[in-house]
Amino acid sequence: DAGVIQSPRHEVTEMGQEVTLRCKPISGHNSLFWYRQTMMRGLELLIYFNNNVPIDDSGMPEDRFSAKMPNASFSTLKIQPSEPRDSAVYFCASSLSAGSTGELFFGEGSRLTVL
Amino acid sequence: QQQVKQSPQSLIVQKGGISIINCAYENTAFDYFPWYQQFPGKGPALLIAIRPDVSEKKEGRFTISFNKSAKQFSLHIMDSQPGDSATYFCAASDGRLIFGTGTRLQVFP
Repeated sequence: DAGVIQSPRHEVTEMGQEVTLRCKPISGHNSLFWYRQTMMRGLELLIYFNNNVPIDDSGMPEDRFSAKMPNASFSTLKIQPSEPRDSAVYFCASSLSAGSTGELFFGEGSRLTVL
Repeated sequence: QQQVKQSPQSLIVQKGGISIINCAYENTAFDYFPWYQQFPGKGPALLIAIRPDVSEKKEGRFTISFNKSAKQFSLHIMDSQPGDSATYFCAASDGRLIFGTGTRLQVFP
């Protein structure tokens, strides 16, 4: 049974370029979460969706970040334009229950390096 | 503002010893307290979780102790093994799952 699938696993880009990270949640899960992990700030919640609708995007750092969930099986996190301080591992997670009071299943992450 | 404070930042334990990681929170709206385990290059995975209506939960060698009045909870790993070497995150949820800063545990044989 496939878990949460993220792509790309690694991305190296130059400052100013657009970056798109992709996520396929576990089939049947109703909630999807994007987290960012850095040594300095740990795991930060960026945004989460419930039934494809964004519920809380208060963690999105600035307007350069946007996330979409066009259907129950796909989500994207876009950074435009990217900056070196965006370098981090970005995790997508999904959950069967609404919100995050149930188990979150994480993907293996997308490691982004912005030069 | 760190909503969930975790300590220690790193922990070294000998095989067979007890590993203890502590967390504290302020938001009384939190009603779900999981612990996640993360190995290098992998995403975090749920280890054990507790709700505030119980003071302790045990699953195998892993135990969560929860003190609602003190707004603190801790993870105890009994008989620690080298395979337990990983980063451990406490977390708390009020609908949004907020993670602590993580504890890197190293268990030496």
